[in-house]
Amino acid sequence: QSVLTQPPSVSAAPGQKVTISCSGSSSNIGNNYVSWYQQLPGKAPKFLIYDDYNRPSGIPDRFSGSKSGTSATLGITGLQTGDEADYYCGTWDSSLSAAVFGTGTKVTVL
Amino acid sequence: QPQLQESGPGQVKASETLILTCTVSGVSFSSSSYYWDWIRQPPGKGLEWIGSVTYSGSTYYNPSLKSRVTISVDTSKNQFSLKLSSVAAADTAVYYCARQARGPGYWFDPWGQGTLVTVSS
Repeated sequence: QSVLTQPPSVSAAPGQKVTISCSGSSSNIGNNYVSWYQQLPGKAPKFLIYDDYNRPSGIPDRFSGSKSGTSATLGITGLQTGDEADYYCGTWDSSLSAAVFGTGTKVTVL
Repeated sequence: QPQLQESGPGQVKASETLILTCTVSGVSFSSSSYYWDWIRQPPGKGLEWIGSVTYSGSTYYNPSLKSRVTISVDTSKNQFSLKLSSVAAADTAVYYCARQARGPGYWFDPWGQGTLVTVSS
């Protein structure tokens, strides 16, 4: 049972924008930095965002991260068929003393 | 670019001990800037952090698994290992090794390709 809640799925047409929410609490998102990962079908997760909104080199600026209070959001603009994947948020939970991940969101390009 | 590769048996019998090894290449293993982690994903489900080890051997475990987990490091071989005892069907999962980078926050990058471990009765 994950302590970070994400919508099971989101969808949009090619070229459009989707946002994925990640809801937590003061023991995790509220007081710790968030990272995001993309998992293409049958593949290992790939690192997308760190420290709430920073993109590592090689990640296109179509991907963006933000955080407010105990919730974080991943945005994907200019949606492409190659963006169809599961997306996970992650952070540290100070109460659990454990790294935690969100429940995951499947992005579908219509 | 660092690369991580998991190795170990694809099947383990219930009540026995699962042992996996992660071999790291393309990066200095002995850096205090990184931790080395195990993460698993049951089929069709989400990600679960198992634990971390530093190059000096300090360990950090998920409290939900702590009683059954041991993570160790062999810097001479650029490897770190996972031992999970008393496995059951619920431990069937793809097991990933990953490097944990630390800034103000932390993140996992890169990841190994993952290895599926099935617990059989």
